[in-house]
Amino acid sequence: EAQVTQNPRYLITVTGKKLTVTCSQNMNHEYMSWYRQDPGLGLRQIYYSMNVEVTDKGDVPEGYKVSRKEKRNFPLILESPSPNQTSLYFCASSNLGLAADTQYFGPGTRLTVL
Amino acid sequence: QKEVEQDPGPLSVPEGAIVSLNCTYSNSAFQYFMWYRQYSRKGPELLMYTYSSGNKEDGRFTAQVDKSSKYISLFIRDSQPSDSATYLCAMRGGGTSYGKLTFGQGTILTVHP
Repeated sequence: EAQVTQNPRYLITVTGKKLTVTCSQNMNHEYMSWYRQDPGLGLRQIYYSMNVEVTDKGDVPEGYKVSRKEKRNFPLILESPSPNQTSLYFCASSNLGLAADTQYFGPGTRLTVL
Repeated sequence: QKEVEQDPGPLSVPEGAIVSLNCTYSNSAFQYFMWYRQYSRKGPELLMYTYSSGNKEDGRFTAQVDKSSKYISLFIRDSQPSDSATYLCAMRGGGTSYGKLTFGQGTILTVHP
C-alpha cells in the first residue's frame, strides 16, 4: 500500500530535550516536505527537499533541522524544543513535474512541549 | 499581511446547497493553485489542481482561478454531509520557488442533512 508514515504519532516532551520525528514514504517520490498546523494559521511549511541531499527552508524553519540521506526518509529534528513548537506536524511526499501537487500526507504527529 | 488569506468560517449549509470557498493572495509569482480537503484527525488530501487562470471541473467540484484579481474559488454543487471537512487552498510559484508551498488558513465546512 502506497503511504507516508510518521513516528511517533503522539509525543509529550519537555523544553530542551532533543527529539526526532521520522517520516518515510514507499512511493519513490523525489519531493518531501514538513508542515506544522496550528489553529487559525492553517498549514505552514517548515522545510522541503527536492531530492536526496537537497533541502531548503519553508516559511517557518527556525528551531528545526532536517536531513535527506535516503530518498524514502525525511526526519524532522528539534534540537532544543520549546513550548511554541507545540503543534500538529505533517510530512508529505510527491513526484516532481506536473503531478507534483498531488502531495500524499502522513497521518500527523501531535507534539506537546511542556 | 499573510501571502494567502482564507476566511476560516465556520460555514454551515444544508444538504444540497451550493458552497463557495475563496482565497485571495498577494504574491503575483504564484502559478499553481490547489484545493485540499482535510477530514478531522486526518492529513490533507488533494481535491483540485489548476495551473494559471481558468476553470476546472471534476464532478461536483469546480475550481476557478482569476490571476488578474489574485483570487481563487472552489465551488461544491449538491453538497453532501460527507463534504463536511476543512478546505485548504494552497499555491506555489515556478522556477526556484517550485518547492515552496503556501497554504491558506482553511475553511471549516459543515453540511447538515
